[in-house]
Amino acid sequence: NAGVTQTPKFQVLKTGQSMTLQCAQDMNHNSMYWYRQDPGMGLRLIYYSASEGTTDKGEVPNGYNVSRLNKREFSLRLESAAPSQTSVYFCASSEAAPRGNTIYFGEGSWLTVV
Amino acid sequence: AQSVAQPEDQVNVAEGNPLTVKCTYSVSGNPYLFWYVQYPNRGLQFLLKYITGDNLVKGSYGFEAEFNKSQTSFHLKKPSALVSDSALYFCAVGLDSNYQLIWGAGTKLIIKP
Repeated sequence: NAGVTQTPKFQVLKTGQSMTLQCAQDMNHNSMYWYRQDPGMGLRLIYYSASEGTTDKGEVPNGYNVSRLNKREFSLRLESAAPSQTSVYFCASSEAAPRGNTIYFGEGSWLTVV
Repeated sequence: AQSVAQPEDQVNVAEGNPLTVKCTYSVSGNPYLFWYVQYPNRGLQFLLKYITGDNLVKGSYGFEAEFNKSQTSFHLKKPSALVSDSALYFCAVGLDSNYQLIWGAGTKLIIKP
């Protein structure tokens, strides 16, 4: 029962470097999400994918890109990392639109940009 | 603007006592209400949700929550707290009109032995 798996767990980047966070789910869910969590600010949605082949901006998309590679995988890319992107990133998935559907989260990726 | 409020940043409870973590919301339309828990350095875990029907919802680890439409609240409760309940708790609201969940800022629950 892997659920939602995201890698890497920890990463330190220098300002201007790029990296990709990988995410995969094994629950055959249609919808996938990338959130960031910052102290005192709760969870903020970066991008989501309602279904395979679609992606949409969330609340804080600037500086990020995403790819829904297939139904299982949804990656988040930082093209030119900035210190403001230091955060904890969570990938999540749900069977369909979140409305009344439970969202399942990965264990998080701790990213520090220096 | 649609919003979810968790008015207490931190709640302290003695082990064995009842606990309440508060959540109120301000949204248009009928809400779907969720509680999630986050243990240190972990992802969020689903606790319970209200979709429709009975206003009292029971969830994991002995937690329950009551949907109060008139007060627009969905407080999380447990009759007898355990030290292991210490964690960060998030309330969230889903709407038919909005693809995104609206999240509260979280409440840190500390259970003291």
